[in-house]
Amino acid sequence: EAGVAQSPRYKIIEKRQSVAFWCNPISGHATLYWYQQILGQGPKLLIQFQNNGVVDDSQLPKDRFSAERLKGVDSTLKIQPAKLEDSAVYLCASSRSGGPYEQYFGPGTRLTVT
Amino acid sequence: RKEVEQDPGPFNVPEGATVAFNCTYSNSASQSFFWYRQDCRKEPKLLMSVYSSGNEDGRFTAQLNRASQYISLLIRDSKLSDSATYLCVVNNNNDMRFGAGTRLTVKP
Repeated sequence: EAGVAQSPRYKIIEKRQSVAFWCNPISGHATLYWYQQILGQGPKLLIQFQNNGVVDDSQLPKDRFSAERLKGVDSTLKIQPAKLEDSAVYLCASSRSGGPYEQYFGPGTRLTVT
Repeated sequence: RKEVEQDPGPFNVPEGATVAFNCTYSNSASQSFFWYRQDCRKEPKLLMSVYSSGNEDGRFTAQLNRASQYISLLIRDSKLSDSATYLCVVNNNNDMRFGAGTRLTVKP
């Protein structure tokens, strides 16, 4: 079974630029999560989708972050404009619906904002 | 108070040692609990779920104390390969909250 795929793996941008991350969850997993993990901290949930609907985006900085999951499969997370404090690893995870079930994480995208 | 708190460590132990981590949570309505393991520069992976009655998986034992709102992870006979960060996860209505993790280094 293929795992959660993410791209790109690394991204370096300057502050005020835009960036987008892509995630493809495990086939059949209805629930998709985006986390931000700053060095030395645990993952912080940014947004949770159930199919293509948003379940929880209470910790998403909506003035600069946006996410979508069209057709309930792939998802993109965008930051516009980026700030220095957005430097982190962005992790995508998926799980079966009706949980809480085990979350399977992708390898993450390491973002550096200079 | 943070929702999920862990001692960041690091815990440095010799091979064969027994080591225990605690994790406290603030929301008494939390329903389910997990331990995840994260290797350096890797993604988190589920180590074990934590059941009310406590559960064991080989050298690993997890326990839940609802009255005191903490969960624990005990590792017996530590191996070099156990070196990692151990993340406590607390769930309330499918809202999963991660602790900052406890770093363990097992030395020869």
